[in-house]
Amino acid sequence: EVQLVESGGGLVKPGSSLKLSCVASGFTFSNYGMHWIRQAPKKGLEWMALIYYDSSNKYYADSVKGRFNISRDNSKNTLYLEMNSLTSEDTAMYYCAKEDLGGDFDYWGQGVMVTVSS
Amino acid sequence: DIVLTQSPALAVSPGERVTISCKASESVIRRMHWYQQKSGQQPKLLIYKASNLPSGVPARFSGSGSGTDFTLTIDPVEAADTATYFCQQSWNGPFTFGSGTRLEIK
Repeated sequence: EVQLVESGGGLVKPGSSLKLSCVASGFTFSNYGMHWIRQAPKKGLEWMALIYYDSSNKYYADSVKGRFNISRDNSKNTLYLEMNSLTSEDTAMYYCAKEDLGGDFDYWGQGVMVTVSS
Repeated sequence: DIVLTQSPALAVSPGERVTISCKASESVIRRMHWYQQKSGQQPKLLIYKASNLPSGVPARFSGSGSGTDFTLTIDPVEAADTATYFCQQSWNGPFTFGSGTRLEIK
């Protein structure tokens, strides 16, 4: 059974940093691209970042480019999202998702909440 | 970026047929996918590449379309289908989602 379990969220002050983790199981993690997607309270889904299966390429949404860094450790089946210079606009539920061959997200984690507030 | 436009909400009765539309600002060929998100849960993949059903998704759900116009159909609708439905494209540029269609079952 595929599982994606996020952790690392919480309440932080504006300007702070935070690092999210997503531990994967039930599939060959090192074979798939992985994504972070977020959802602000009562809002829609916003794609954040993609990392290729071998970390050879990374892509970011304009809203987080230069502030967020996606990485992975295939030996630990773990995906990361390092978030810097956080603002209230970054308050959201953050999901990690596995990308299938067609560019769809066939598995999602349960999400981790990040709240940025003074 | 490709913009995906969805109508905000629909209300139908159990047993009816419902269609949810998603219009792309430019062609995404057939790289359109649909997700169901129930309250308090993560999104779940319903349809991939316009019309393909993942294993475990009931055959009441179907998808169609190509280019810029896509449709998710639920027939017949059940009470458990109360959720928000999102489309997502993976053809060009950053991955983008529609704003979601909230489906209410009367």
